[in-house]
Amino acid sequence: DAGITQSPRYKITETGRQVTLMCHQTWSHSYMFWYRQDLGHGLRLIYYSAAADITDKGEVPDGYVVSRSKTENFPLTLESATRSQTSVYFCASSGFGHHYEQYFGPGTRLTVT
Amino acid sequence: ELKVEQNPLFLSMQEGKNYTIYCNYSTTSDRLYWYRQDPGKSLESLFVLLSNGAVKQEGRLMASLDTKARLSTLHITAAVHDLSATYFCAVDVRGGSNYKLTFGKGTLLTVNP
Repeated sequence: DAGITQSPRYKITETGRQVTLMCHQTWSHSYMFWYRQDLGHGLRLIYYSAAADITDKGEVPDGYVVSRSKTENFPLTLESATRSQTSVYFCASSGFGHHYEQYFGPGTRLTVT
Repeated sequence: ELKVEQNPLFLSMQEGKNYTIYCNYSTTSDRLYWYRQDPGKSLESLFVLLSNGAVKQEGRLMASLDTKARLSTLHITAAVHDLSATYFCAVDVRGGSNYKLTFGKGTLLTVNP
């Protein structure tokens, strides 16, 4: 299906575990982004990518790792999950044809116990 | 560092009334976006404003951009319950090549019968 998808949609994990959140888009957008959304903080950018193999830190990158070997995929890994990483994570993509308007995935609700 | 401030953060209004949400930003930008988020859902793009004086309208919502004042407004006309949601503005840093957006904290709009 066309669009941007995230998996899993819900995840419960324990402190110290590694967890990877997946993001896939079918528009061939060059830019992809990871945000976390927490009450009182709005949306905060974790990492972004301008193209395959090009990634850069956002506002809150600590504790997260990203990679982008293919244009359509942008996984986010929490190397050793902490309770403070309990949040809703949104992936987004954007491209030239839409004035770089960002399109958001459905989100992943992550709980770290 | 770009700062984006929305006000009010909480808005409770009666059906049929008009109101305006304000979005101020701290550095020059020619591109501003408005998004809507329903509870438990993802963000949906409403408007893309690309130049000074831009005005976009969709149904009961109208957005405008004044780049000289670094201000965008989202005007709600004759509110209805279906407009209840959180509204975010987001600003693209001018001159950047990475097309990152900085989001305001959002305005939670509740429309009461």
